[in-house]
Amino acid sequence: GENVEQHPSTLSVQEGDSAVIKCTYSDSASNYFPWYKQELGKGPQLIIDIRSNVGEKKDQRIAVTLNKTAKHFSLHITETQPEDSAVYFCAASRRHGNNRLAFGKGNQVVVIP
Amino acid sequence: KAGVTQTPRYLIKTRGQQVTLSCSPISGHRSVSWYQQTPGQGLQFLFEYFSETQRNKGNFPGRFSGRQFSNSRSEMNVSTLELGDSALYLCASSLLGQGGTEAFFGQGTRLTVV
Repeated sequence: GENVEQHPSTLSVQEGDSAVIKCTYSDSASNYFPWYKQELGKGPQLIIDIRSNVGEKKDQRIAVTLNKTAKHFSLHITETQPEDSAVYFCAASRRHGNNRLAFGKGNQVVVIP
Repeated sequence: KAGVTQTPRYLIKTRGQQVTLSCSPISGHRSVSWYQQTPGQGLQFLFEYFSETQRNKGNFPGRFSGRQFSNSRSEMNVSTLELGDSALYLCASSLLGQGGTEAFFGQGTRLTVV
């Protein structure tokens, strides 16, 4: 099955700086890559996703890049704010077939005011 | 539009008991997936239901089961509870039952087995 790995496990950044989280995946058939943000006591919230027919997608301060050849994708958060502090999960799934997501182990992002 | 609703939010059960968790998906969504979240294993896929049919199952023992009703609401059941079943159980709702469809999660049910 699909194996998704996330690095680093914890990331501390100064407010206003950028944060980058990287994920790798193993299944070359995967072509949908969502990112989730989970705050304490809440369920994961979908923040951005990318499909394999594009290399980059941006939504305000967050962006995701995908390198299918290298099988890795990254989340970029610019101008970080204290409310960006949370655990971020990357995931992967195949477009065709079942709706099953394989998740990375998560990254704790701490934005220092 | 209401989000995904999971009930109850918290449960405390004793080893050997059974438990039923409920999930109401976003209106119009037909796919419901269940995940178990623990600090050690992260988010692990349990099963997915689409149009009342289980379409995929993760690597969990048969004590974990589920079903989906005609209104797309879903329940999952865990029988003969073990201490290791303590986890946050999350339900995800999708419009379609195919990969590449956005999945939206509920707040989860926190199950503690004592």
